[in-house]
Parts: sequence; C-alpha cells; structure tokens
Amino acid sequence: DAGVIQSPRHEVTEMGQEVTLRCKPISGHDYLFWYRQTMMRGLELLIYFNNNVPIDDSGMPEDRFSAKMPNASFSTLKIQPSEPRDSAVYFCASSLAGGGYTFGSGTRLTVV
Amino acid sequence: GENVEQHPSTLSVQEGDSAVIKCTYSDSASNYFPWYKQELGKRPQLIIDIRSNVGEKKDQRIAVTLNKTAKHFSLHITETQPEDSAVYFCAASGAGSYQLTFGKGTKLSVIP
Repeated sequence: DAGVIQSPRHEVTEMGQEVTLRCKPISGHDYLFWYRQTMMRGLELLIYFNNNVPIDDSGMPEDRFSAKMPNASFSTLKIQPSEPRDSAVYFCASSLAGGGYTFGSGTRLTVV
Repeated sequence: GENVEQHPSTLSVQEGDSAVIKCTYSDSASNYFPWYKQELGKRPQLIIDIRSNVGEKKDQRIAVTLNKTAKHFSLHITETQPEDSAVYFCAASGAGSYQLTFGKGTKLSVIP
C-alpha cells in the first residue's frame, strides 16, 4: 500500500482565494482525520470521518472551512476564502478503529 | 474533552545516554496511548503504543510505561543515537472515541 496520499505538497495562494486539499486514505481504513499543525498550537484535530460520515467537526475553526468524504477513498478540505492565519501544515491521517494513525506527508499551505 | 500535557518541551542528551519524556492526561476513560516521532519537514510516524490494560511495553531501545492511577505515561529511549533527534508527540484517546488528542511535543536533540 502506498500509505496515505495527500496533494498538493505545497500550496501558495493569495488571501481571499479558495484552497482545496486532497487526501486518499489507506484502503480498508474506516477512519479519516484532518489535522492542522502550527508552531503555536501544535497538532489540532479539525474533523474526522467514520465510514465516510463526519463524526466530529468541532475543531473546524469557522465557516470558511469545510470537509467532505464522498467515498471511502477520497476526502477534501476546503478553505474559502483563505486568510494569512490559515497558513500551516495540514495533515490527513487514516486508521482502523482503535488503531494508531498513519499520517500523509502533509500539505504546507501559505496564504499571502 | 481530553487534555494531554507533555514535558519537557525540549530535551538535549549526550549520545548513548537515556531520554525520558512524560505525559499526563485528564480523561480517566482514555485507553489508548501512542507515541509519534516527527523528523523535520516530515510526517509524524507511530513508534510505539500502549493500551490501558498493559503497564509497560518495550521495543528494542524504546519503552513506554503507563500509570493509570496517576493518569500519566512516559516514553523511555535508551542508548540514544543522533538519528533519534526529532520531535516526539504523545497522544491519548478515550473509550468509544477514536480521535487522538496530542501533546505539544518534545524536541529531542542527541549530541554526538
């Protein structure tokens, strides 16, 4: 298995633009998580899905953030409109129930 | 919700010495405690984990101990090597919830 695959690896965008981050979990994993990592706040859970259904989105900062999982092999995290404070590394991770996470390589987002 | 505190935030040791990182958690129902290693610019990777029905687990130079009564767990690395230099994160998840709450991380530097 190729592991958790995220794209793009790097994204630089201007304030106000829409940003879409993509994730392909490990086949067979039934949990998918989106985390944001910054120096100040560490690893923060944004939202997680179980069997493609959003379970807890209480970590989503505000209405500018949305996430979808249309099928078991694909998820997106969208920011619209983007702001400089959204600059961070966004990680997707997947797991089996009760197991450890496997993280993707992350997307480094810079909003200028 | 769960709160995980991790200490120290930075740790420097001489090559060959031992390193200990400690974490406390708040939710007495938490039952899964993984540790992740993150090298600079890379994804967090699971290095060892322990469940609440086990007090200690060892894998070569790495060991984790759990004290459920005190609600703390620790990572022990023996015979440290320069390649052990990284940021280490502890995490905890509660019963019935598969989302992990992460500590803020410990930057370990092994001095040759």
